[in-house]
Amino acid sequence: AQRVTQPEKLLSVFKGAPVELKCNYSYSGSPELFWYVQYSRQRLQLLLRHISRESIKGFTADLNKGETSFHLKKPFAQEEDSAMYYCALTGANNLFFGTGTRLTVIP
Amino acid sequence: NAGVTQTPKFQVLKTGQSMTLQCAQDMNHNSMYWYRQDPGMGLRLIYYSASEGTTDKGEVPNGYNVSRLNKREFSLRLESAAPSQTSVYFCASSETVKRIQYFGPGTRLLVL
Repeated sequence: AQRVTQPEKLLSVFKGAPVELKCNYSYSGSPELFWYVQYSRQRLQLLLRHISRESIKGFTADLNKGETSFHLKKPFAQEEDSAMYYCALTGANNLFFGTGTRLTVIP
Repeated sequence: NAGVTQTPKFQVLKTGQSMTLQCAQDMNHNSMYWYRQDPGMGLRLIYYSASEGTTDKGEVPNGYNVSRLNKREFSLRLESAAPSQTSVYFCASSETVKRIQYFGPGTRLLVL
């Protein structure tokens, strides 16, 4: 089965602390992986994708094919990072989202 | 550009009633999707349309039907609403299935 797992439903960190949102996947082919974010009262939007290898809002994510992981990291969390984060995988014609992690950054 | 628009924003139905959720995109995207978002369940794909004229089932299609009316529009129909269909419904579109998805604002549906 092709699935995306986000083991943490809720994650709280203090402002300035490092944050890591975990994402593991299972897929038999060559997936494309994304992180989407939903801020309060806003639409779900793309944060970053693995093929871009870029840093958005200080976040980075590295695809680890050996561990089948695509964890999202930021060295210093900010209050405006509080949001719902979804890891997503697309294959040939399939799309799967994880169950999401709600990140709260405590001032 | 408006991007992806959805109507209505909020709807209350009684069990057994029917309704259609409308979605339109103005980005000339080929692929469109319907998701439902439930607490603790994340986003689950109901149906998608990889290109105009095609539709395919996603993870949770039971109780729903879809119509890709044209390249711009993709509607979701509930023929006989059930309380289990109380959810927030999101429409999305992308250039192709493997590309970045752009989401609508969502429709909050309450089935009593």
